[in-house]
Amino acid sequence: DADVTQTPRNRITKTGKRIMLECSQTKGHDRMYWYRQDPGLGLRLIYYSFDVKDINKGEISDGYSVSRQAQAKFSLSLESAIPNQTALYFCATSIQGSNQPQHFGDGTRLSIL
Amino acid sequence: QKEVEQDPGPLSVPEGAIVSLNCTYSNSAFQYFMWYRQYSRKGPELLMYTYSSGNKEDGRFTAQVDKSSKYISLFIRDSQPSDSATYLCAMSVDNTGKLIFGQGTTLQVKP
Repeated sequence: DADVTQTPRNRITKTGKRIMLECSQTKGHDRMYWYRQDPGLGLRLIYYSFDVKDINKGEISDGYSVSRQAQAKFSLSLESAIPNQTALYFCATSIQGSNQPQHFGDGTRLSIL
Repeated sequence: QKEVEQDPGPLSVPEGAIVSLNCTYSNSAFQYFMWYRQYSRKGPELLMYTYSSGNKEDGRFTAQVDKSSKYISLFIRDSQPSDSATYLCAMSVDNTGKLIFGQGTTLQVKP
């Protein structure tokens, strides 16, 4: 079983719809992150959380929100999806400490028409 | 200008070749440098991690950091078809885990 599980793996939806991407982990890590990956732009940090009560904006948080429901769960929402949010979205986790490796899920491919 | 620049390739080499992957950056405050490998339809996985300047070797992989030139490299010796993937450099200023990634270089190693 995957340590970092993202659901759904693929989603096609329409402009204006509310979308939720979910991430769960069995690694027992405190830190969780959401990134998006676009061709030619690499990965960019959307939001990150160091524990259940800690949420921080990343490089590109506009148009997104997150919820850390438990240590093991971190969800990303697009309140009103727009086509330029079409991308590959990754969740990652790490333990506390100085730049511990981030462990990534296999991504959600999101297309907004 | 992006903070971290990486040649997207694609780079195609024969099996057994030495591969050099490179990133340049503009922020002199970066202290932590990483290389991730990403296979198709998979998430990135950490390959190498270096703090500050210097070299680090792990098997066929060597990571180099030259902070004076704001330049990092990943060398792959005796490249194998299984090394075919996208390689992403990443770096951060502090230990918060806020990484800035390069665009990624796609490598193909032909048998």
